[in-house]
Amino acid sequence: AQTVTQSQPEMSVQEAETVTLSCTYDTSESDYYLFWYKQPPSRQMILVIRQEAYKQQNATENRFSVNFQKAAKSFSLKISDSQLGDAAMYFCAYRSALGTGNQFYFGTGTSLTVIP
Amino acid sequence: ETGVTQSPTHLIKTRGQQVTLRCSSQSGHNTVSWYQQALGQGPQFIFQYYREEENGRGNFPPRFSGLQFPNYSSELNVNALELDDSALYLCASSLFYDPRETQYFGPGTRLLVL
Repeated sequence: AQTVTQSQPEMSVQEAETVTLSCTYDTSESDYYLFWYKQPPSRQMILVIRQEAYKQQNATENRFSVNFQKAAKSFSLKISDSQLGDAAMYFCAYRSALGTGNQFYFGTGTSLTVIP
Repeated sequence: ETGVTQSPTHLIKTRGQQVTLRCSSQSGHNTVSWYQQALGQGPQFIFQYYREEENGRGNFPPRFSGLQFPNYSSELNVNALELDDSALYLCASSLFYDPRETQYFGPGTRLLVL
């Protein structure tokens, strides 16, 4: 089974600064999708960014970007110009591209604090 | 576009009881997945429903069961509740036949088993 590891239980960043959250995963598959989800204290999970494994180009969404290293099975999230609203729990997730009806595998999360 | 909704938001049960949680999928979505999120942990996949049938199941016992209705809404049923079932239960909807489509989550139901 696939596993997703987030080795940073907690991170903090000064407002307007940049922070990077780490994620590694273990899989024998070559085709898959990776995601970062944000879960604010209100608890609704919100998609931040998605990366297809077959794409070499790193995904970006406004202030959010990823560093996808397929050989190293690493998928980090960079948040630029951090804002108070970025404070939340961030989850890295993996989904196989093989077949249909595939489940998501989530890491244990990184709690991000933004310091004013 | 209507988002994913879940009910109730909070629930308190005692050990041995049964509980039913409900989920309405996002407009246009035909697949519903259920996840259990224990405190301080990431969500764990329970099962997925498509065309009113279970389509994939995680490592959960049979006392966790579900239903999907023709309007794609879904229920999660848990029998013989145990203390360890206390968690946030998340529902996520998606389109089955597009593997690139991500899952959109509801706000969850917080279940406390005493």
